[in-house]
Amino acid sequence: DAGVTQSPTHLIKTRGQQVTLRCSPKSGHDTVSWYQQALGQGPQFIFQYYEEEERQRGNFPDRFSGHQFPNYSSELNVNALLLGDSALYLCASSLVGSGSLHNEQFFGPGTRLTVL
Amino acid sequence: GEDVEQSLFLSVREGDSSVINCTYTDSSSTYLYWYKQEPGAGLQLLTYIFSNMDMKQDQRLTVLLNKKDKHLSLRIADTQTGDSAIYFCAESKPGGSYIPTFGRGTSLIVHP
Repeated sequence: DAGVTQSPTHLIKTRGQQVTLRCSPKSGHDTVSWYQQALGQGPQFIFQYYEEEERQRGNFPDRFSGHQFPNYSSELNVNALLLGDSALYLCASSLVGSGSLHNEQFFGPGTRLTVL
Repeated sequence: GEDVEQSLFLSVREGDSSVINCTYTDSSSTYLYWYKQEPGAGLQLLTYIFSNMDMKQDQRLTVLLNKKDKHLSLRIADTQTGDSAIYFCAESKPGGSYIPTFGRGTSLIVHP
């Protein structure tokens, strides 16, 4: 049973560029959430996708956008990169209606983005 | 202040018990979680506790919740070097679709 996978594992970009990160959820999961984890910090919620729509969003600017595909995989896009966007980007998947109220999230290993 | 606060570092000797503490601010928090993050890896859910519980035990892990003081702790019995990692406390509530809010993490270092 494949867990959550993310690609690429590392990425280096320069300020002003755009980046796309990818996530494949755990088999059987239908919901994908994205988090940003800056160095020395806990993960911060960016947004969550369910049924190909953004269901909930954290306190992130519109430069951060996403997409979910019919196969439940997801992309995170960041435009006009800033130095402060350097972080580990984590994807987590879960199953809505799993019977568990808290919809346990399973995390991928993350993509390390460095903005120079 | 932060919604979830943790001390940043804890150092213990192998075989001793480790206790990692956390405080949270939102009394409507419904679920409280402990996650583990090893170097270069994502987060792994270790255990969680529902807010109407005081304690939960799972093998070497014991979670204690003091709802009055909004204090959560994770005790790891017989700590091993493989337990060295960053431990995150998190809380969630129904109004937030159970999206967890994380603390900054406690780095546990286990000495042989």
